[in-house]
Amino acid sequence: KAGVTQTPRYLIKTRGQQVTLSCSPISGHRSVSWYQQTPGQGLQFLFEYFSETQRNKGNFPGRFSGRQFSNSRSEMNVSTLELGDSALYLCASSTTVGNTIYFGEGSWLTVV
Amino acid sequence: KQEVTQIPAALSVPEGENLVLNCSFTDSAIYNLQWFRQDPGKGLTSLLLIQSSQREQTSGRLNASLDKSSGRSTLYIAASQPGDSATYLCAVNTGNQFYFGTGTSLTVIP
Repeated sequence: KAGVTQTPRYLIKTRGQQVTLSCSPISGHRSVSWYQQTPGQGLQFLFEYFSETQRNKGNFPGRFSGRQFSNSRSEMNVSTLELGDSALYLCASSTTVGNTIYFGEGSWLTVV
Repeated sequence: KQEVTQIPAALSVPEGENLVLNCSFTDSAIYNLQWFRQDPGKGLTSLLLIQSSQREQTSGRLNASLDKSSGRSTLYIAASQPGDSATYLCAVNTGNQFYFGTGTSLTVIP
């Protein structure tokens, strides 16, 4: 069974640009959540989607947005990039809230 | 807001030793708790999930316990091996989201 797949793995963007990251969950998983990991702040929750609906949202500015498609694949978008957005962005999937979550390898974003 | 703390931040042990990693959380109203390991530059690998009604879970050389009333969980690793070297994170699920600790960086010396 394929795991959680995130693309791209690495990317470099310039301040002010926008970026879209993609996540394909494990087959059959309908819950997808996103996290930002930085050395200073650790792992922080961005948002969670279930059946195309955003159910929960972390404490991030509106520049961070996401969506989920009918096949459970999810994308997150960050607009007007800032240097502080440089981080590892991790996607996780599960069958539903409360069950084991499985992470992808992450997308490394560097903003210059 | 749930806060999760892991002590120690770093731990170095000789191969073969048994060790305990600690995780504490401030709000006992949790849904479950999950332990992960993270290798450098990689995503997180799930190790064990303990539901709020459970006291412990075991998988191979790993045993995780949960004391919800005192806000504590421990991860016991038996007979440590160099391949166990990684960062170990605990995450508390409140039903809405997971709150992560900052992790314990474990080094097992051959």
